[in-house]
Amino acid sequence: QKEVEQNSGPLSVPEGAIASLNCTYSDRVSQSFFWYRQYSGKSPELIMSIYSNGDKEDGRFTAQLNKASQYVSLLIRDSQPSDSATYLCAVGFQKLVFGTGTRLLVSP
Amino acid sequence: DVKVTQSSRYLVKRTGEKVFLECVQDMDHENMFWYRQDPGLGLRLIYFSYDVKMKEKGDIPEGYSVSREKKERFSLILESASTNQTSMYLCASSLAVSSYNEQFFGPGTRLTVL
Repeated sequence: QKEVEQNSGPLSVPEGAIASLNCTYSDRVSQSFFWYRQYSGKSPELIMSIYSNGDKEDGRFTAQLNKASQYVSLLIRDSQPSDSATYLCAVGFQKLVFGTGTRLLVSP
Repeated sequence: DVKVTQSSRYLVKRTGEKVFLECVQDMDHENMFWYRQDPGLGLRLIYFSYDVKMKEKGDIPEGYSVSREKKERFSLILESASTNQTSMYLCASSLAVSSYNEQFFGPGTRLTVL
C-alpha cells in the first residue's frame, strides 16, 4: 500500500513567519512530487512541483525533496493570512497518492 | 491556463437514482481522473483514463462506472446512488508526458444522496 503521510495540524504561525510543512512517502520509486493548496469548500490548486533532489523556489514558496529519506517539504516565507488553507502533498507518477493534508492557520 | 470544468457544483439525488457527473478539460490532456474527497480520508482515486475509451480502476471503484468517448470529456456514473456516496467529487486532468504530469482539478461537485 503506497502511503503519503502528513501531520494534520493545525499548524499555527503568526503573519510574516515561515511556515514549514512536511510530508513522507513510502514508495521509493516515486518520481513526481507536488504540493496543492485547498481552501475550505474549494478544489485543490497546484502550487509547487518538484522532480529532483534539492530545493525549488517560486516566489514565497520553496519545495524541498530528499529521495533518500523519502521526505518532501514546503516552506512558505512571509506567511500571510490568505495562506490559511489545507496543504496537500501528492506523490507518484501518472497516478498520484495524496496525503490527507496539513491545515495551516496564519494569524494577523 | 488549464481549465477543467464540472457539470454541477451541487447536486442532490435520491437513493437508487442513476447519477451522471460530467467533466470537460480544454487543454488536450491525455489523462483524466475521478476522485472523491471525504473528511479524514483525503482524496481517493475512483477511476482514471489514459486515452479515449480506455479506463482503469482506481482504489475505490465499487458502485461507480466511467465513460470516455471523447478526449476532452470524462464522465462518472453512479448506477444506483446510495447514501454512502455522499461526497465531494473532483475531476482532474494531466498530460501523459513524463515529468510534466501535474494534475489540474475542476471545481468539484458536492453530491448529497438522500
